[in-house]
Amino acid sequence: EIVLTQSPGTLSLSPGERATLSCRASQSVSTNYLAWFQQKPGQSPSLLIYGASSRATGIPDRFSGSGSGTDFTLTISRLEPEDFAVYYCHQYGNSPFTFGPGTKVDIK
Amino acid sequence: QVQLVQSGAEVQKPGASVKVSCKASGYIFTSYAISWVRQAPGQGLEWVGWISTYNGNTNHLQKFHGRVTMTTDTSTSTAYMELKSLTSDDTAMYYCASGPMWLPLANWGQGTLVTVSS
Repeated sequence: EIVLTQSPGTLSLSPGERATLSCRASQSVSTNYLAWFQQKPGQSPSLLIYGASSRATGIPDRFSGSGSGTDFTLTISRLEPEDFAVYYCHQYGNSPFTFGPGTKVDIK
Repeated sequence: QVQLVQSGAEVQKPGASVKVSCKASGYIFTSYAISWVRQAPGQGLEWVGWISTYNGNTNHLQKFHGRVTMTTDTSTSTAYMELKSLTSDDTAMYYCASGPMWLPLANWGQGTLVTVSS
């Protein structure tokens, strides 16, 4: 089973700042099948990034994903008020699929 | 657009079973697999398993072996997840999700809260 580790656990930033979230896998993620999800309180997770770097339909370009193999990054170039949420990385290249523990981005 | 509508909240006693449904619309049901993910209160996401709506093949997390059954009814575009021998540790929001094999969690249902309590 691939274990995903996310850092930091919590990121306290102000609107307009840049957010950099890290996801590290215990072994290489097959075909870079690594996704990022955003979850707000009381809502289902929603897809932001898939294939490590492809934005899902309708996702603003301030969200970008990068990385390969075992190290992946989600960057939010300028935080908007609606971006304060929990972010999960997820690998779907190896069974069983797994999720990271999440990074909470909150308002400083 | 793709829509997944799940059944309502459930309260079950320890040792009982629960069956959650997920009705899909907006796409050809057999073209996307259905996955199940759960989230305990205040916790992160845990993949439970998935089912191919095309041929019924399933795959699930080993910890659920013998307790989880995933099925589909293609005539109604509905997927089901049954979990048996419930304990308090199974109290969680259960989500279904669908997508192509190269992006299985593209679209999510609204979630079904399952509470296990005596």
